[in-house]
Amino acid sequence: GAGVSQSPRYKVAKRGQDVALRCDPISGHVSLFWYQQALGQGPEFLTYFQNEAQLDKSGLPSDRFFAERPEGSVSTLKIQRTQQEDSAVYLCASSSRVPGLAGGPEDTQYFGPGTRLTVL
Amino acid sequence: SQKIEQNSEALNIQEGKTATLTCNYTNYSPAYLQWYRQDPGRGPVFLLLIRENEKEKRKERLKVTFDTTLKQSLFHITASQPADSATYLCASRYSSASKIIFGSGTRLSIRP
Repeated sequence: GAGVSQSPRYKVAKRGQDVALRCDPISGHVSLFWYQQALGQGPEFLTYFQNEAQLDKSGLPSDRFFAERPEGSVSTLKIQRTQQEDSAVYLCASSSRVPGLAGGPEDTQYFGPGTRLTVL
Repeated sequence: SQKIEQNSEALNIQEGKTATLTCNYTNYSPAYLQWYRQDPGRGPVFLLLIRENEKEKRKERLKVTFDTTLKQSLFHITASQPADSATYLCASRYSSASKIIFGSGTRLSIRP
């Protein structure tokens, strides 16, 4: 595809429901990131995948949050027993290579449009 | 802890003027800083990257500076246009972690 896509674009859940958010990265991109963005704030890192391996999940706020990327392409972010504080936009980003410190093209992230989750 | 801070107040300027946005970092020395643009309802879009050994980087009407003494990056849009109105985010990776830190963004409005 031309870019990163996410689905659904909007999700309303009742408190206590489980939700699953999908990310389709740019084809061939090795790295995939999930972020949470609250209103008026910048994106906050949740987790990082290199191919199918989840190398960093330090930003996941609780054990109710779970992400997977089983075949190294599509990724799913699952939130169990949703709470009102989970309401936010969830952004997915991909990049062509492994993150580096040199500031090269591999460090450019391409973001999807996000999924806006509202928990009632 | 490592932080990136941007002026959270909205910046309103007249069309044609130069807009200048500020990004300050504390408690670490980033190898580079990135600037992204975000429009309402959309994901951030990468604009420019500047490395720590670069003083200045330009792209069309955009200019970014990196001052390691002041621990600051400035983002300039010259000859600003209403279409430049958006939120601009500063971001950086620190150490060898894969995590990227974003600032809270500055909302820029260009009035005709």
